[in-house]
Amino acid sequence: GAGVSQSPSNKVTEKGKDVELRCDPISGHTALYWYRQSLGQGLEFLIYFQGNSAPDKSGLPSDRFSAERTGGSVSTLTIQRTQQEDSAVYLCASSLAGQGIYEQYFGPGTRLTVT
Amino acid sequence: SQQGEEDPQALSIQEGENATMNCSYKTSINNLQWYRQNSGRGLVHLILIRSNEREKHSGRLRVTLDTSKKSSSLLITASRAADTASYFCATDAISGAGSYQLTFGKGTKLSVIP
Repeated sequence: GAGVSQSPSNKVTEKGKDVELRCDPISGHTALYWYRQSLGQGLEFLIYFQGNSAPDKSGLPSDRFSAERTGGSVSTLTIQRTQQEDSAVYLCASSLAGQGIYEQYFGPGTRLTVT
Repeated sequence: SQQGEEDPQALSIQEGENATMNCSYKTSINNLQWYRQNSGRGLVHLILIRSNEREKHSGRLRVTLDTSKKSSSLLITASRAADTASYFCATDAISGAGSYQLTFGKGTKLSVIP
């Protein structure tokens, strides 16, 4: 079946603009995760969804970052007033359930460049 | 913060040789997973080892886990040029919100020379 998909694959934006990144998880996966990968910081957890609710937002770096998930499926990560330090690859992952026994399947990522 | 720390940071070997990568972590875990990443994009899940397991095999991959030393190793036998990639270990920890978020190490960059 189809894997996790993300769009766009690449996004270049000017500093100060808002961006939306989309993630389509694997059908039937109730848990969804957003991670960020940048050169200086490695892979960092951002937010976790179980269904449509986000019980863990502890990794969001600032209040400029927000995310939502609708219908227990598609998720959107929004970054407002982008800054150059937001430049990174944003990765989405889904798993059958939010339990550690299930592997997380990753999408190809969105490479965000803030100029 | 990074929990898993892989070593070496970079490894270059000849095709056919075995490659061993190590991972150390700090806190108790439920499971440890190894992922592979090509060209800085999507991660591919390789293998998951539970905290009560000591060794696991999958094809040319062998993973060991020593919870007393808080360390794991990934062995790739009979390496191929196509194994060239970055390899990450990831530990899961139950956050206060019940999220099994993964904490990744910085990775080992493996180059297999044909």
